[in-house]
Parts: sequence; C-alpha cells; structure tokens
Amino acid sequence: SQKIEQNSEALNIQEGKTATLTCNYTNYSPAYLQWYRQDPGRGPVFLLLIRENEKEKRKERLKVTFDTTLKQSLFHITASQPADSATYLCALGAYSGAGSYQLTFGKGTKLSVIP
Amino acid sequence: ETGVTQTPRHLVMGMTNKKSLKCEQHLGHNAMYWYKQSAKKPLELMFVYSLEERVENNSVPSRFSPECPNSSHLFLHLHTLQPEDSALYLCASSQDIGAHNEQFFGPGTRLTVL
Repeated sequence: SQKIEQNSEALNIQEGKTATLTCNYTNYSPAYLQWYRQDPGRGPVFLLLIRENEKEKRKERLKVTFDTTLKQSLFHITASQPADSATYLCALGAYSGAGSYQLTFGKGTKLSVIP
Repeated sequence: ETGVTQTPRHLVMGMTNKKSLKCEQHLGHNAMYWYKQSAKKPLELMFVYSLEERVENNSVPSRFSPECPNSSHLFLHLHTLQPEDSALYLCASSQDIGAHNEQFFGPGTRLTVL
C-alpha cells in the first residue's frame, strides 16, 4: 500500500543550526512534491514545490531535495530561528486517474527551535 | 477579506444535529477542496470541486454532503455524525486541478461531535 513517512514526529534544534526534515515514500510515483508549514490552530501554508525532474530547489533559507530513486525528499532550514517552530508537512502530488491531481500528505514533523 | 475564510471556527454538535460548514475563497481560483485532519493522522482529502463540478469523492460517508454553488463558495453539510468525526475540517483552493498548483488553506473548523 502507499505510504508517506516523515522521519520523526518531533525534532528539537538549537537556534542558528540547520534543521533537516525527511520525507520518505513507498509504492508511489509522484509527479511533484510540496512542503507546507502549519502553525497551531491554522491551516497549512505552502512553502516550496519541487517537480519529479528536479533535484533541488531553494527559497531564502529553505532548501528542498527530491530523489526519486531513493524515494525521498529532504527539507532544510538553515540558520534556524525560534519563529521557524511549527509543524512541517510533506505532500506528494499525483494524477488521481479521475480528472485531477491530488496531494497526499504525511503526518508532519513538529520542529522546535530552541533559543 | 483575502485568502480563504471558513465559518464557523468552532462547532459542537450532537449526533442527531444537522449543521453546515462554509468556505469562501477570494483568490479567483477554480478548484476547491475539503480535507479532514484528525489528531496524529495526516490530512485526508474528502472532496474536490472544479468549476462547481464535483471531481473527486474519496470514499467519504454519505453523512457528509458537499455543495459548491459557485466557484467561490463551498459548503459541507453534516448530519447524524459520529464522535469519530470530530476533527479539524480544512477547506483549500487552487488555481485549477492541474499539476503543481499550490493549495491555499483556510483556518479550519474545529468540529466536536458529542
């Protein structure tokens, strides 16, 4: 069966360090992958998109890699700040077979950046 | 108002009640979605609408009934729910149902079924 795993439920990191979050998937052939940030009591907010033919994407302090051979995406936040504390969701996009592209989400990793 | 709005933000209902959740997007998008987010579980896609037509219904029980009167509004009508339906219900929109589109989420409705 299809499975998306985000490495850990919670990750604590010291301010200023690089946070690395992992998203692994099995029995899936995504056309693209997205990362979202979710704060308590709020809906997810889109951060980055990476397509299946792309290896790496960057946006300010964020970097995403996508390895379709390993079936893995890594999400990096460099020079982390307490304001980066949130839950980060990995979402795989694929054609549903019924007319639309759909996102399938992982459970998320709760990141805490300690001052 | 900008983005995606949802009302009510919190809802408590009994198992015999009928209630509706409302979503409105102010982004000019053509696609709208309902998701369910339960504790310790990933977001589950429930319904997809494109230009007011339902495109997907991901094996959702009939006690959940969506309605999309126009491309800016989406409703989720609830009746005879079960306690296990308690969750955060999120509405989202995107430009269309094609590949690569980012989704814009509302703040959600926190539903408690007693």
